[in-house]
Amino acid sequence: TQLLEQSPQFLSIQEGENLTVYCNSSSVFSSLQWYRQEPGEGPVLLVTVVTGGEVKKLKRLTFQFGDARKDSSLHITAAQPGDTGLYLCAGAKGGTNKLIFGTGTLLAVQP
Amino acid sequence: GAGVSQSPSNKVTEKGKDVELRCDPISGHTALYWYRQSLGQGLEFLIYFQGNSAPDKSGLPSDRFSAERTGGSVSTLTIQRTQQEDSAVYLCASSLGQVGNQPQHFGDGTRLSIL
Repeated sequence: TQLLEQSPQFLSIQEGENLTVYCNSSSVFSSLQWYRQEPGEGPVLLVTVVTGGEVKKLKRLTFQFGDARKDSSLHITAAQPGDTGLYLCAGAKGGTNKLIFGTGTLLAVQP
Repeated sequence: GAGVSQSPSNKVTEKGKDVELRCDPISGHTALYWYRQSLGQGLEFLIYFQGNSAPDKSGLPSDRFSAERTGGSVSTLTIQRTQQEDSAVYLCASSLGQVGNQPQHFGDGTRLSIL
């Protein structure tokens, strides 16, 4: 059973465009993390959100945790080719650090 | 090294053979996790260790899969009698503890191909 669904699965855009990636679940998570993964490498943590409604910004990336802590979004402003990669959301339940990963969004930013 | 190290980086083997995958976590990290990733997909949790014990083995797909950790450091994931559906990238991660919100630091994975 896949608890975290991401959309879209694939996204190909031009440099300078804006985009939003969604991570949805029917389950409540104590925290949610976003990772980016490049080919041949392991995922790298971008951000952790823990409070319902929380918004965090990392340069051109804006992350939001839903009020009910069931969903999250990642918005990228003025995308650049260096943003290309697989974006993964991952939720933690209870007090543990066991992560349930989303289905992934593959982003390609064309120069 | 400073990061999580996995070996081998690539492994090709014949169906029915046993394989061992190794993970060397970041020094001082007490929690260690194994995940499996199919091409372009999200990660599937397999097992995690706190120290040398494995409180959660719920993700292991079958009894052909086992893992151990010794000395609170290196971990080995063993797959016996490999099948073609075992082909995937196996990723290891470590964190300072197993309390929530601790960042997990990933290795670059072992790409396993079963012929």
